[in-house]
Formats: sequence, C-alpha cells, structure tokens
Amino acid sequence: EDQVTQSPEALRLQEGESSSLNCSYTVSGLRGLFWYRQDPGKGPEFLFTLYSAGEEKEKERLKATLTKKESFLHITAPKPEDSATYLCAVQANSGYALNFGKGTSLLVTP
Amino acid sequence: ETGVTQTPRHLVMGMTNKKSLKCEQHLGHNAMYWYKQSAKKPLELMFVYNFKEQTENNSVPSRFSPECPNSSHLFLHLHTLQPEDSALYLCASSQDGGTSGRAVTETQYFGPGTRLLVL
Repeated sequence: EDQVTQSPEALRLQEGESSSLNCSYTVSGLRGLFWYRQDPGKGPEFLFTLYSAGEEKEKERLKATLTKKESFLHITAPKPEDSATYLCAVQANSGYALNFGKGTSLLVTP
Repeated sequence: ETGVTQTPRHLVMGMTNKKSLKCEQHLGHNAMYWYKQSAKKPLELMFVYNFKEQTENNSVPSRFSPECPNSSHLFLHLHTLQPEDSALYLCASSQDGGTSGRAVTETQYFGPGTRLLVL
C-alpha cells in the first residue's frame, strides 16, 4: 500500500532561518511526487512535480529534491509570507490518484 | 474566472437538509475530482470523473452523490449528512486523468474549497 509521511508536523522558523521539510514515501512505482502549498481556508496551490531520483526544482526561496525514498523541500531565508501548510503527494504508475501526506505546518515569524 | 472555482465557499446544514456543492473548471481539463479534507487527516479522494464518466468511488457513503454533466462542471449532492461529515470539500481537475494511455504525470489543480458544517 502506498504511504506518504511528512515531518515535522509543525515547524516554527525565524525570518531568514533556513530549514527543510521531509516527505518519505513508499509506492509501487513512482510516476510523480508533488508539492503543494495550502493557506488556511484555501485549496492547495501547486508548487512542484518531481519525476525521478536526483531531480531538483526551484522557485523563489523554495527548492525541492527527490531520492528513491524521500523528498525534501528546502526553504532558504524564509519570510513571514511563506507561512502555510506544505503538502506532499505521490502518484503511482498504477493510476492517477494522488496519495497525500498530512502536511507540515510552517510558521515564519518576523 | 480562471482556474477552478467552487460555490458556495461556506455551508451550514442540518442533518435532514439536502444541498449541493458546485465546481467549475476553466482550464480545458477532462478529469475532475472531489476530495475531503478533515482536520489532522490527509486529503481523502472521494470521486473521480474522466470525460464525464465516473471512474473511481473511494467507498464513499451514499449520502454523497456526485454528478458531472460535462467536463467543466462537477456537483456533489448532499443529503442526510452526519456531523462527522463536516470538513473542507475540495474540487480538483487535471488534463485527462490518465485515460489517454500516455504514461504522463498529471498535475491536479485545486479550487478554494467549500467549508461544510453539519449540525
């Protein structure tokens, strides 16, 4: 059975304090791994798709990396507006449904 | 309007009421999804429609009834709900839900959700 585990559940950073969020997964053939950002009371906003181990993608202060067992979302010099819940999801070769983790709630304080 | 829209944004209903949630996508996609998001739980896939045909029902109780009249619109009809059904209901769309036969990874784009409270 496909599983996605995100850690930590919650993370508090000071503005400018870089850190990483983890997404560990088990899937029977990975088609893609997705990162989304979700603000309170809103729908998830797409950030990145990673397809194969070794792949990296960047967007502003965010950088996502992928290995055969986990993905990291690195946040460099975060700002308060980066505060949100970050969701990881995997899509298996066997289908198109997304299997989500519970998310990491990030709070960046000034 | 752009992207995926959902109405209403907030809904309070009694256990004996009947209501409907509406989703519309303006992305030219052919697959649409309903998800349920409860506190402290991962997003749960409820239903999938590809080209207006339901292709997945994730063991959802019959008090939830989906309808997809065309590739741009998706409804979720609600009746005799329970308090534990209170949650954020999210609609999403993607290009073709994998039905093209191509081994492609499809990104799903989400709407803002409907916050449902069942009293």
